[in-house]
Amino acid sequence: RKEVEQDPGPFNVPEGATVAFNCTYSNSASQSFFWYRQDCRKEPKLLMSVYSSGNEDGRFTAQLNRASQYISLLIRDSKLSDSATYLCVVNRNTGNQFYFGTGTSLTVIP
Amino acid sequence: NAGVTQTPKFQVLKTGQSMTLQCAQDMNHNSMYWYRQDPGMGLRLIYYSASEGTTDKGEVPNGYNVSRLNKREFSLRLESAAPSQTSVYFCASSHQTSANTEAFFGQGTRLTVV
Repeated sequence: RKEVEQDPGPFNVPEGATVAFNCTYSNSASQSFFWYRQDCRKEPKLLMSVYSSGNEDGRFTAQLNRASQYISLLIRDSKLSDSATYLCVVNRNTGNQFYFGTGTSLTVIP
Repeated sequence: NAGVTQTPKFQVLKTGQSMTLQCAQDMNHNSMYWYRQDPGMGLRLIYYSASEGTTDKGEVPNGYNVSRLNKREFSLRLESAAPSQTSVYFCASSHQTSANTEAFFGQGTRLTVV
């Protein structure tokens, strides 16, 4: 079983739409959680960390459900510039390894 | 700030040739990583180094060697390149001393083995 699983999409949504991405992780010892954004042919960059109580950064909201080993990312009022691949990432802290999902592709259409 | 710097950005090799991918970070991070990214496979860990002087295998280490030259530098070597090693390679680093410490990535090396 993969450490991190995501729906690869693609998600094609109109500007202004709300879109949600989901991710599950297999190891209950995972302690740190992140969403990264990757533009075509570029390196991944941190979008936001995910905290146990959930957190929001502008139009982006991340949630963590440890009992279900589930992470989500909600994007409100989608912009054309949100078009990218979104990577779910977990880290157990011990062992110093980050585990990446395969990514969910988002295209925001005018 | 430079962050994580990788060289070269692009490389074409013939089967059997060797090469070293260089990576350096200027953030005083203790942990460094090498990943490869292939379509549909996501980022897969090749090797990582939790601290200067230590290296460990990741998910796909076969065909690669690494050297943690000092705290700043972590190189990846292909001794005898194969077409299956055609990929985009990313180096990353992180501080890894506390929870929610992110990984920072270099710009990637696009390697083609013919």
